[in-house]
Amino acid sequence: NAGVMQNPRHLVRRRGQEARLRCSPMKGHSHVYWYRQLPEEGLKFMVYLQKENIIDESGMPKERFSAEFPKEGPSILRIQQVVRGDSAAYFCASSSRDRVGEAFFGQGTRLTVV
Amino acid sequence: QQQVKQSPQSLIVQKGGISIINCAYENTAFDYFPWYQQFPGKGPALLIAIRPDVSEKKEGRFTISFNKSAKQFSLHIMDSQPGDSATYFCAAGSGGSQGNLIFGKGTKLSVKP
Repeated sequence: NAGVMQNPRHLVRRRGQEARLRCSPMKGHSHVYWYRQLPEEGLKFMVYLQKENIIDESGMPKERFSAEFPKEGPSILRIQQVVRGDSAAYFCASSSRDRVGEAFFGQGTRLTVV
Repeated sequence: QQQVKQSPQSLIVQKGGISIINCAYENTAFDYFPWYQQFPGKGPALLIAIRPDVSEKKEGRFTISFNKSAKQFSLHIMDSQPGDSATYFCAAGSGGSQGNLIFGKGTKLSVKP
């Protein structure tokens, strides 16, 4: 039973480019969460999605960031026009419908903006 | 209101000793308190979790103690081993539609042989 799969593991983007981070939840999980982790910091909640719905995006920056979880395929976190401050580890987590909040994390995507 | 405060920031324990990490929260709506273990370059792994209807939960060498009135909870690692050296995060969440977790800033544990 594969865990939460994230790709790519490492991503390097120049300032102004777009970054697309992908997350496939655990089998049977319909809830996806994205978190951001800065060095030596805890994880900060960004967005909570179910299939085709954004449930809570209170942690998402107002501009340049968007997320989706389509009916088919992985969840995508998109960062447009990246800046150096976007450099961080981005983690996706998933949970099942009957155990919302009991989240299992992927290995993360480490984004470096140069 | 939404913060989870974790201490200490770092902890050094001798092999075989007890590691204790503490967390405190403000929001009484929280009803789920997990602990995660993270190794360098890896994602957080769910270690153990507790809900407020019990005051203690034990799984192997790991125990969560929960004090609802004080709004505090702690992780105890008995017979600490060098392989336990990692960063530990407490978190808090509430069920229903919210789903997201609020994390503490983490405790870097080093177990000396």
